[in-house]
Amino acid sequence: QVQLVESGGGVVQPGGSLRLSCAASGFTFSAYGIHWVRQAPGKGLEWVAFIRYDGNNKYYADSVKGRFTISRDNSKNTLYLQMNSLRAEDTAVYYCAKERARSSWFDFDYWGQGALVTVSS
Amino acid sequence: QTVVTQEPSLTVSPGGTVTLTCASSTGAVTSDYYPNWFQQKPGQAPRALIYSTSNKYSWTPARFSGSLLGGKAALTLSGVQPEDEAEYYCLLYYGGAQLVFGGGTKLTVL
Repeated sequence: QVQLVESGGGVVQPGGSLRLSCAASGFTFSAYGIHWVRQAPGKGLEWVAFIRYDGNNKYYADSVKGRFTISRDNSKNTLYLQMNSLRAEDTAVYYCAKERARSSWFDFDYWGQGALVTVSS
Repeated sequence: QTVVTQEPSLTVSPGGTVTLTCASSTGAVTSDYYPNWFQQKPGQAPRALIYSTSNKYSWTPARFSGSLLGGKAALTLSGVQPEDEAEYYCLLYYGGAQLVFGGGTKLTVL
């Protein structure tokens, strides 16, 4: 069965950095693009970033562009999100989510359980 | 800034029917926005229900259906069950690299 497991969350000071990981199993990781989506405490969902199956195309929300970097290691079936210059408003649960099919990166089918990132001094 | 609007809250009786909608600040929602719908229960990750307006996943209960209604994307629940009480989010694709979630609808089954 498809599994996505996020890790790397924690507490970080404003201006600091953190790297999230998303370990994938149960499907051919190298054949699918993956998204990061976040949810601030008590708030709605916000799309953060996407990386194509081969890593050659990456898209970002304006709110994180220039500060966050999405990447992947297909040999390790793992997705990453490097977060720099963190702000209080980046505090959220971060989910990774798989695209349904290569031709439809805007459809999400499977989601991980999420990793909590807290930005606070 | 593009805004996607959903009803903040709706209440439905068990066995009843309810329609949730998803509107775009840019105008009418069409199939080119590839509307997706997700269900989220407290303390859980979102779960996909509908993709590309009206297509269901293998795990989507038959009582859930997606459509376009009056210039909006819509999610209809027919024969609502107590376990359908949850937050529901829509997602619209605006082309290029823009994906926007709606603010969510809290559905109460009472």
